[in-house]
Amino acid sequence: DADVTQTPRNRITKTGKRIMLECSQTKGHDRMYWYRQDPGLGLRLIYYSFDVKDINKGEISDGYSVSRQAQAKFSLSLESAIPNQTALYFCATSDPGSWEGNEQFFGPGTRLTVL
Amino acid sequence: SQKIEQNSEALNIQEGKTATLTCNYTNYSPAYLQWYRQDPGRGPVFLLLIRENEKEKRKERLKVTFDTTLKQSLFHITASQPADSATYLCALSYSSASKIIFGSGTRLSIRP
Repeated sequence: DADVTQTPRNRITKTGKRIMLECSQTKGHDRMYWYRQDPGLGLRLIYYSFDVKDINKGEISDGYSVSRQAQAKFSLSLESAIPNQTALYFCATSDPGSWEGNEQFFGPGTRLTVL
Repeated sequence: SQKIEQNSEALNIQEGKTATLTCNYTNYSPAYLQWYRQDPGRGPVFLLLIRENEKEKRKERLKVTFDTTLKQSLFHITASQPADSATYLCALSYSSASKIIFGSGTRLSIRP
């Protein structure tokens, strides 16, 4: 079974709808992240959480919110989806005790289309 | 703010040759520089990390160098194979506790 899972894998929604993307991990890592990926722009950090009580904004948090329900679960919400939020979304985890300096473990991604 | 530059043009290499990808950054040097591989429609996968006090790191056919004077890392794949075709992302962080900044990646194609 995959260590980092994301649901749904694909989602098509309409402008103005609220949607939630979910991420679960079995790696036991404290740190979790949400990124979006757009062609030519690479991975951009939306939100990150270093433990259950810690939530931080990334470089592009406007229009998004997150919830860290447990160590293993980190959800991303789009309160009112707009077309320029169409992108590939990735969840990732990392282990603060890792000697590899914050190596990230990624989920398979969610392809979101906002019409 | 820190910027990472990777060649946006695809790199096409003949099988068996060495592929070399470049990652340049601005501002001050990071403590860690990482390389990831990403296949179409999938999440990135960690390959190698090099620290600021290391000049070179190797893993099987992979080699990474880190030049803090040039503010550059080079990623080499020796004896390249078609299965090495993917997009390669450079990423940096300033401590093991900080978030990571990713480059936009370079697409590598190895032709038989």
